[in-house]
Amino acid sequence: DTVLTQSPALAVSPGERVTISCRASESVSTLMHWYQQKPGQQPKLLIYKASNLASGVPARFSGSGSGTDFTFTIDPVEADDIATYYCHQSWNSWTFGGGTKLELK
Amino acid sequence: QVTLKESGPGILQPSQTLSLTCTFSGFSLSTYGMGVGWIRQPSGKGLEWLANIWWDDDKYYNPSLKNRLTISKDTSNNQAFLKITNVDTADTATYYCARAPNWDYFDYWGQGVMVTVSS
Repeated sequence: DTVLTQSPALAVSPGERVTISCRASESVSTLMHWYQQKPGQQPKLLIYKASNLASGVPARFSGSGSGTDFTFTIDPVEADDIATYYCHQSWNSWTFGGGTKLELK
Repeated sequence: QVTLKESGPGILQPSQTLSLTCTFSGFSLSTYGMGVGWIRQPSGKGLEWLANIWWDDDKYYNPSLKNRLTISKDTSNNQAFLKITNVDTADTATYYCARAPNWDYFDYWGQGVMVTVSS
């Protein structure tokens, strides 16, 4: 299985720029996707294929990377962005990262 | 408007078979490239992909659970199904179904259904 590693938590303040990383144990080309999940809700697709913004998602969200190293950026962060963010690869079977919980400073 | 809704037994006992149904609208599983997947999430933990089924009836399973999973579909009734055999407490989770429109990612998710395995 391709293992995706994310840092477990980050603390941010509204207005700041935040970057979340996802490292794959082997290359996944650009088949990396990002989801936002708020407590009690289902995940929501934000970025697909590394850098493509999903429909209706604000341009404050962006993604980049290829191969094994990927980043997801929110700039600027808003209070409503407090959530857990998951990366997901679909190059070698399908796997999710462990999630990065965004918290307020 | 794309919607998906999961349904299941709520609670079942260890060693039983879990049967889940995903009823969807706004798309067809007979459309080229379309798929539906199942993902689960134990309370307070991360997401685990379980299985996908595609428009051509191709099926893919999480290798670590493959021998316990069966995914299927009823295209005419806009439903997808997942069976998990021989459940135990580790299968207690919220189970989601989601649409995969172009082979690679999930763009719409259901609200999830909670399943508890307990004796």
